[in-house]
Amino acid sequence: DAMVIQNPRYQVTQFGKPVTLSCSQTLNHNVMYWYQQKSSQAPKLLFHYYDKDFNNEADTPDNFQSRRPNTSFCFLDIRSPGLGDAAMYLCATSRPIQGAETQYFGPGTRLLVL
Amino acid sequence: GQNIDQPTEMTATEGAIVQINCTYQTSGFNGLFWYQQHAGEAPTFLSYNVLDGLEEKGRFSSFLSRSKGYSYLLLKELQMKDSASYLCAVRDSNYQLIWGAGTKLIIKP
Repeated sequence: DAMVIQNPRYQVTQFGKPVTLSCSQTLNHNVMYWYQQKSSQAPKLLFHYYDKDFNNEADTPDNFQSRRPNTSFCFLDIRSPGLGDAAMYLCATSRPIQGAETQYFGPGTRLLVL
Repeated sequence: GQNIDQPTEMTATEGAIVQINCTYQTSGFNGLFWYQQHAGEAPTFLSYNVLDGLEEKGRFSSFLSRSKGYSYLLLKELQMKDSASYLCAVRDSNYQLIWGAGTKLIIKP
């Protein structure tokens, strides 16, 4: 089945220790997104790519970086995680945005910072 | 600023009907989405409205009034598996999705 895959589902890291979250898709969608979602809050868009064109949201902290080496894969790097970065990280994909085109989400990676 | 308002939590009874409201103020409008999110899982798409009126999809319907900046999601014949958060999201003039914080729906037997 075509899908969005995120690994790992749960990630534990230490305060200040770099961590990388990964996302892959078999949908062949042009657009990929990274969201941060904290409990009972709206998903917060961190970055999105249209093909290799990178778009950083204005309020995304410099601590967060992203890479998209090819259409299928996208990575989220957190250089020095703080306690406030503990959250669910959601990867999503879509075709070029028009009409009813929706976003397809992966299952998320829940990050715990100790 | 851009804003999406939804009730934080609602409770309903199995077999009943519930209406979840969403009001929005955004810079431009290019469609409104409803997503369902079970606890600890990713959001899944439920419905899309871009013109005024009601869109029906099985037990779920979604209504939009652009002049009022208002939408609702109507769930009929509630089942226990409908216990989840329901997120309203609006696509703005830059084609970005502006998300609400979601409404947690609790279904009681």
